[in-house]
Amino acid sequence: DSGVTQTPKHLITATGQRVTLRCSPRSGDLSVYWYQQSLDQGLQFLIQYYNGEERAKGNILERFSAQQFPDLHSELNLSSLELGDSALYFCASSVVAASPDTQYFGPGTRLTVL
Amino acid sequence: AQSVTQLDSHVSVSEGTPVLLRCNYSSSYSPSLFWYVQHPNKGLQLLLKYTSAATLVKGINGFEAEFKKSETSFHLTKPSAHMSDAAEYFCVVRASGGSYIPTFGRGTSLIVHP
Repeated sequence: DSGVTQTPKHLITATGQRVTLRCSPRSGDLSVYWYQQSLDQGLQFLIQYYNGEERAKGNILERFSAQQFPDLHSELNLSSLELGDSALYFCASSVVAASPDTQYFGPGTRLTVL
Repeated sequence: AQSVTQLDSHVSVSEGTPVLLRCNYSSSYSPSLFWYVQHPNKGLQLLLKYTSAATLVKGINGFEAEFKKSETSFHLTKPSAHMSDAAEYFCVVRASGGSYIPTFGRGTSLIVHP
């Protein structure tokens, strides 16, 4: 158990809908990362937050957004969902923002868009 | 810019025989390199990391990796495979130069035969 929690574990929804994925980092970790894992794209970095502020952006679509709250939990919002958004979404946390420190991964949320 | 190439998408070994999972990287800056393991339907777990200290890095579960700058490689090895090692393995590079956004390899699936 990494100490990172993600909810829900599974999510099934329809095209055009909007969903919110939630992540709670390990106690003491200030940095949160979101990743998308799909069969065709592999593991892709989406976005990073550090202590409430956006720190870095990767391959995140404009339909997707995220935020980190004062209690350090983070939410990833996916809107106007398409079939191709079906994937595993992972959250990871680390202590600091810009160093090669270890990232601890949550168990993931499996999103299925029908 | 940075990139990671995992040279084999699948590696098949017999239980008790050595394991070699190959990873080559490129980076404009001094890299930090990681190996993660992902068991089915689980999040990623850190096996080991290299961050410019000793070039031979020992990790959990008997795995180790050697950083070879001249070959730009960071291959993962284990002397004797166990059935529980069957999983997906990811090589990851993170480099300095403003951010430490990780780049993941496409993964190598390790199959262990009894």
